[in-house]
Amino acid sequence: NAGVTQTPKFRVLKTGQSMTLLCAQDMNHEYMYWYRQDPGMGLRLIHYSVGEGTTAKGEVPDGYNVSRLKKQNFLLGLESAAPSQTSVYFCASRTGTSRSNEQFFGPGTRLTVL
Amino acid sequence: AQSVTQLGSHVSVSEGALVLLRCNYSSSVPPYLFWYVQYPNQGLQLLLKYTSAATLVKGINGFEAEFKKSETSFHLTKPSAHMSDAAEYFCAVRGANNLFFGTGTRLTVIP
Repeated sequence: NAGVTQTPKFRVLKTGQSMTLLCAQDMNHEYMYWYRQDPGMGLRLIHYSVGEGTTAKGEVPDGYNVSRLKKQNFLLGLESAAPSQTSVYFCASRTGTSRSNEQFFGPGTRLTVL
Repeated sequence: AQSVTQLGSHVSVSEGALVLLRCNYSSSVPPYLFWYVQYPNQGLQLLLKYTSAATLVKGINGFEAEFKKSETSFHLTKPSAHMSDAAEYFCAVRGANNLFFGTGTRLTVIP
């Protein structure tokens, strides 16, 4: 099993450009998450999904959109990138039957917006 | 509402010394608590979790944590630090659908 994978690993954008980050998991997990990690701020939840076709806002959703068209994939979109979106983005997933909500993380995408 | 506070953004210990990373939680329901580790340029990996069974939880790589309800704490310890333990450590508490993470503690191990 590959677990949780993220594409791309690195990306540099200019202000105003758009892009999509792809997260894929092969564990048949129901729940998927997108976080951003900034120095001194830990991980903050952007959006999450509790199942195929559903999404919900997290703590810092502004400037981002998501889609979950297939159970194994969760896409994060930036329509018009801003320097404040320079960050490391992590995707995570978990099974819906886990009472503890233990999440499994991908390796991250480092995004720089100039 | 659930939250965690990690005391100390940076901790330095000598190789072979005790590691103690502090985490205090706030939760309106019985908490499920986690410690994750992040090695440089990698994702987060689960070290251990507390799910209301034994209050002393043993994890991977010789780490353990003790749940203390009276102190609302879940501190992470390891008796003897290794150079390979240098990483960032995150405490987290379960929410309704997700986890709430602390701001992290960077552990440096001095040879």
